[in-house]
Amino acid sequence: ETGVTQTPRHLVMGMTNKKSLKCEQHLGHNAMYWYKQSAKKPLELMFVYSLEERVENNSVPSRFSPECPNSSHLFLHLHTLQPEDSALYLCASSHLNSPLGPDTQYFGPGTRLTVL
Amino acid sequence: AQKVTQAQTEISVVEKEDVTLDCVYETRDTTYYLFWYKQPPSGELVFLIRRNSFDEQNEISGRYSWNFQKSTSSFNFTITASQVVDSAVYFCALTHDKAAGNKLTFGGGTRVLVKP
Repeated sequence: ETGVTQTPRHLVMGMTNKKSLKCEQHLGHNAMYWYKQSAKKPLELMFVYSLEERVENNSVPSRFSPECPNSSHLFLHLHTLQPEDSALYLCASSHLNSPLGPDTQYFGPGTRLTVL
Repeated sequence: AQKVTQAQTEISVVEKEDVTLDCVYETRDTTYYLFWYKQPPSGELVFLIRRNSFDEQNEISGRYSWNFQKSTSSFNFTITASQVVDSAVYFCALTHDKAAGNKLTFGGGTRVLVKP
């Protein structure tokens, strides 16, 4: 199943680096999400894009900057990160709400980020 | 506020044993949606099931079954005749109709280790 792909799968960066995570969905969805999964915390929603507009930003520090150029692609631009930002970053996509309620979110394999 | 509790952090079984994963949720919404996801070592969250609050019918899919009990706010998941490939972290999640950005509230996950 390659409905949602993420690159790179692993990333090691220094605190002064700038890098970007990429997500692409092939499911025809129009909403995309970034989640953070840390070792000792539940999955946290970071950003939501619906029809390429940001609809949710869960108090995420400005060193994380999302970009959604179209409904199939989502980026997370990273700069001046801290070691505590090391985590698995997961992308997901779904349809917008249907008459049956919130649509199921489908996840990519994640990017394992290590900040030195 | 919504909350999902998975009290079991880790369960270890021998192949062919049955294993039940507990999920207890809290919500003030009358219409809500429950999910189970599987996260194998590769990292991707694999969607398993979605259940609407107005549909209390239990469901079986192969070796997987789910028991939704609204009276006790529980949505438990049973793997029958477990196999080594079932080894993964399993997450229960909750959302509702008016959740901003379709936000999913995840439990802490239960790690299942199936030994040969």
